[in-house]
Amino acid sequence: QSVLTQPSSLSASPGASASLTCTLRSGINVGTYKIYWYQQKPGSPPQYLLRYKSDSDEQQGSGVPSRFSGSKDASANAGILLISGLQSEDEADYYCMIWHNSAWVFGGGTKLTVL
Amino acid sequence: EVQLVESGGGLVQPGGSLRLSCAASGFTFSNYEMNWVRQAPGKGLDWVSYISGSGSTIYYADSVKGRFTISRDNAKNSLYLQMNSLRVEDTAVYYCARQNYDNFDYWGQGTLVTVSS
Repeated sequence: QSVLTQPSSLSASPGASASLTCTLRSGINVGTYKIYWYQQKPGSPPQYLLRYKSDSDEQQGSGVPSRFSGSKDASANAGILLISGLQSEDEADYYCMIWHNSAWVFGGGTKLTVL
Repeated sequence: EVQLVESGGGLVQPGGSLRLSCAASGFTFSNYEMNWVRQAPGKGLDWVSYISGSGSTIYYADSVKGRFTISRDNAKNSLYLQMNSLRVEDTAVYYCARQNYDNFDYWGQGTLVTVSS
């Protein structure tokens, strides 16, 4: 079982909100981790979006719109990236990441389609 | 302006070696931790290795431990990845990424490594 699991794809309409999940493997408590989110568009390197551990420990990437926000669902043991007011330019791959056992670990990524 | 430029990629046979370089500019290189991250064609991101600003602390992904060596030359503002005993599954675009405290805030454009006979 992977350390971080993301749904492979998600579709949403322009103007709507999209909630991208990053589920931690059983036995790894999401409450103790900072979750990092990256956006990658075709042909480009990833770009840092934000970090979320709690409402008192979060960081927005430089220049990242406030439409992008982080949260957690403790009951699901998951980190969440919420994108509100979806725009066509938000269509991209999104990756979560944590620091676990002296290694950076990425989720498999979610391809977000805005249509 | 912060810039990271990777080089050294190419086609190599299984079992072969390759040395990647990442030239950094626009910031005080020695003040920042650095990482290598790779991405196989059509696949997701895969972290490879980390090095502290001084080079004294190094971590590797289990998949490359014992085969890859990360290093840096702060006098030359350069990061390196020596890759030995290359496997077909090491085929990927290799990115260097600057770690700003706890996030990767700048990435290079990547260099493609193809392992094939």
